[in-house]
Amino acid sequence: QVQLVESGGGLVKPGGSLRLSCAASGFTFSDYYMSWIRQAPGKGLEWVSYISSSSSYTNYADSVKGRFTISRDNAKNSLYLQMNSLRAEDTAVYYCAREQVGFDYWGQGTLVTVSS
Amino acid sequence: QPVLTQPPSASASLGASVTLTCTLSSGYSNYKVDWYQQRPGKGPRFVMRVGTGGIVGSKGDGIPDRFSVLGSGLNRYLTIKNIQEEDESDYHCGADHGSGSNFFVVFGGGTKLTVL
Repeated sequence: QVQLVESGGGLVKPGGSLRLSCAASGFTFSDYYMSWIRQAPGKGLEWVSYISSSSSYTNYADSVKGRFTISRDNAKNSLYLQMNSLRAEDTAVYYCAREQVGFDYWGQGTLVTVSS
Repeated sequence: QPVLTQPPSASASLGASVTLTCTLSSGYSNYKVDWYQQRPGKGPRFVMRVGTGGIVGSKGDGIPDRFSVLGSGLNRYLTIKNIQEEDESDYHCGADHGSGSNFFVVFGGGTKLTVL
């Protein structure tokens, strides 16, 4: 069965960095586009970034452009999000999701808290 | 880019039916919308995609027949019949836009469904 497991969240000070990982299993990872989506406490969903299956294309929400970098390692069935210059408003649960027709599978999320 | 609007809350009695609405901004009447269910404390779950012709593709894994969709003009509807306690969730709609390095996704603010 399809599984997506995020890790790497935690507490970080403003201006700090964090790298999130998403381990995929149960499907051919290299065939699918992948995205990161976040949800601030008590708020709705916000798309953060996407990467095409072979890493040819990436894009970012304006709110994170220039600070976050998405990448993937198809040999390791893994998706990553490098987050730099973190701000309080980046505090959220971060989900990785598989793109098929919509986001058909999601992970359980990892919490990132940016606070001094 | 499209903007998706959802009422913040809805309610329905056990066993009744409810229709949730996601409204696209003007000029985007040909866009398809994805519905997601998010139970309390859980990650989102894909329900199905809807266009003006109705469902696009298949329902998400385990989505019961009680869930159906319709699309008309700028509105995309999710109807739940014979509501059960487990249907009490936040329901989000999302739409993707563009392609390649210009691809991005927008979400509505979500509707919290309360089962009475």
